[in-house]
Amino acid sequence: SYVLTQPPSVSVAPGQTASITCGGNNIGGKSVHWYQQKPGQAPVLVVYDDSDRPSAIPERFSGSNSGDTATLTISRVEAGDEADYYCQVWDGYGDHWLFGGGTKLTVL
Amino acid sequence: QVQLVQSGAEVKKPGASVKVSCKTSGYTFIDSYLHWVRQAPGQGLEWLGWINPRSGGTNYAQKFQSWVTMTRDTSITTAYMELSGLKFNDTGMYYCARARKYYNSGTDFDFWGQGTLVTVSS
Repeated sequence: SYVLTQPPSVSVAPGQTASITCGGNNIGGKSVHWYQQKPGQAPVLVVYDDSDRPSAIPERFSGSNSGDTATLTISRVEAGDEADYYCQVWDGYGDHWLFGGGTKLTVL
Repeated sequence: QVQLVQSGAEVKKPGASVKVSCKTSGYTFIDSYLHWVRQAPGQGLEWLGWINPRSGGTNYAQKFQSWVTMTRDTSITTAYMELSGLKFNDTGMYYCARARKYYNSGTDFDFWGQGTLVTVSS
């Protein structure tokens, strides 16, 4: 079965750029979505279809996807960006959805 | 505005069943699939399945096929997720989420319910 691999944690100083990766076999051939989840809250969609942003999400959030790695990039990181981030893909073979294990972003 | 409002927390004994509701508003209920996702304490997100509110058709993750049932009531724009034969490790937060794409395939989830905490305890 298809597996998505994320680093458990990423740390970044305020104002710097954070990159969170999501690895999968030829993930570049799939559409990847990203969610932000803060403690005690439901997930929030921040990037869909590899690189599109919902209207309420700041331009600081961007995404890319190629080969075996998709990446969520957060520019000019703020304290409020501290959260867990999950990637997601659709497995068309079984019409199932998969999540990565999640990455905890810590703002130093 | 789109809203998904879930039912309140539940405490159940092992072997019991639980039924969680997801009341929707702010959009045409039958035009968007609804998905269910769960999260064990301190763990990641796990997809359970979807329901097509228009037809009532469902698709469950293989792991849950034996004990999850998703239904809907179009008259009150509400979807339900029932888990039977509860085990201790079914404890967690259960979310409903709306499919952004009308045709569902490959979609992301653009709106989520607030979550329902299900605790399985003897």
